[in-house]
Amino acid sequence: NAGVTQTPKFQVLKTGQSMTLQCAQDMNHEYMSWYRQDPGMGLRLIHYSVGAGITDQGEVPNGYNVSRSTTEDFPLRLLSAAPSQTSVYFCASSYSLAGGSFDNEQFFGPGTRLTVL
Amino acid sequence: SQQGEEDPQALSIQEGENATMNCSYKTSINNLQWYRQNSGRGLVHLILIRSNEREKHSGRLRVTLDTSKKSSSLLITASRAADTASYFCATDDEGNTDKLIFGTGTRLQVFP
Repeated sequence: NAGVTQTPKFQVLKTGQSMTLQCAQDMNHEYMSWYRQDPGMGLRLIHYSVGAGITDQGEVPNGYNVSRSTTEDFPLRLLSAAPSQTSVYFCASSYSLAGGSFDNEQFFGPGTRLTVL
Repeated sequence: SQQGEEDPQALSIQEGENATMNCSYKTSINNLQWYRQNSGRGLVHLILIRSNEREKHSGRLRVTLDTSKKSSSLLITASRAADTASYFCATDDEGNTDKLIFGTGTRLQVFP
């Protein structure tokens, strides 16, 4: 299994440009999520999905869109890039939430390092 | 806002010493997880402790949970240079279990 894959690894954008960060998993996980990691801030949840066709907002959703048309893929779209979106982006997946609690480990991708000029 | 905060922010020790990191969180939880992140890499799950557990072991890792103080600690015994990484706690929220919220992390440096 490839696990969680992310593309691209690095990206430089100009302010105002749009792009899509790709995330895919081959573990048949129902739950997928996107985080951004900034120095001193830890990881902050952007959007998440509990299954195909279902998405919801995390802590910092503004400026980002997601969709979940298949179980495997969970792309993150930057609508109009801003310098404040310079960060490292991580996608993660896990088995479905069970018993009303988040009791499954998350598997993380290697990250996408994004710079917005 | 973030659920957890780790303390200390950074820790430097010699190989063979024990490393203790603490995590404090804000709301009632169902469980708490610890993750490790090597420089430039994604996070890797270490251990999960449920709200009805007080202590859990996995190899050289020992995790404690005190729900009355809303805090957890991660102890790494007999540390190795390979343990050099950042360590994060993560919790769900008893009222909203769809989200796993991470703390700010502790950077551990183990010198040979």
